[in-house]
Amino acid sequence: AQSVTQPDIHITVSEGASLELRCNYSYGATPYLFWYVQSPGQGLQLLLKYFSGDTLVQGIKGFEAEFKRSQSSFNLRKPSVHWSDAAEYFCAVGDPSGGGADGLTFGKGTHLIIQP
Amino acid sequence: KAGVTQTPRYLIKTRGQQVTLSCSPISGHRSVSWYQQTPGQGLQFLFEYFSETQRNKGNFPGRFSGRQFSNSRSEMNVSTLELGDSALYLCASSFRDSSGGLFFGEGSRLTVL
Repeated sequence: AQSVTQPDIHITVSEGASLELRCNYSYGATPYLFWYVQSPGQGLQLLLKYFSGDTLVQGIKGFEAEFKRSQSSFNLRKPSVHWSDAAEYFCAVGDPSGGGADGLTFGKGTHLIIQP
Repeated sequence: KAGVTQTPRYLIKTRGQQVTLSCSPISGHRSVSWYQQTPGQGLQFLFEYFSETQRNKGNFPGRFSGRQFSNSRSEMNVSTLELGDSALYLCASSFRDSSGGLFFGEGSRLTVL
């Protein structure tokens, strides 16, 4: 079974600074990979996804993520954060062998705090 | 295009009762998944439906059940509620499976007293 680790429970970043959120996964092959964001009291919004091809993927709101097979990582980055980026961020993996019908496995999340 | 709609948004039940939550997917989406979110366990997969058939189920007891209707709308039911069932229940939809990413509703927050 696949698993996802987000090593940082909380991260504090100053507004305007760059951001990197870490995600490591455990899976035998290349899984589907996703980043989601959740604001308080809201559902999850898909930021970006990867399943093959270019290892650097662009998402919404200025986010990007890089898939590194050798490190089993899929880190999320943003060059300059805004106060509105404060939220909970979740990395998730899906199992291609299940035809996409299997549920996604989520990490525990990273809480992003933006300092003025 | 309307997003995923979940009702009710908030509800309070007592132990032993049952609850039914409803989900209307994005128009054209035929796959509906349900997830439970709690502070301790995080996001956990409950089940996935496509064309009225349950294709996969997570590791939850039989008290948790669901169904999907011909218009792709879905309901989930939890019977004999326990305190530990207090959670945010999230519904997500997609065209046919999770490979393209899931689109989530705002959730139904269940409190069991």
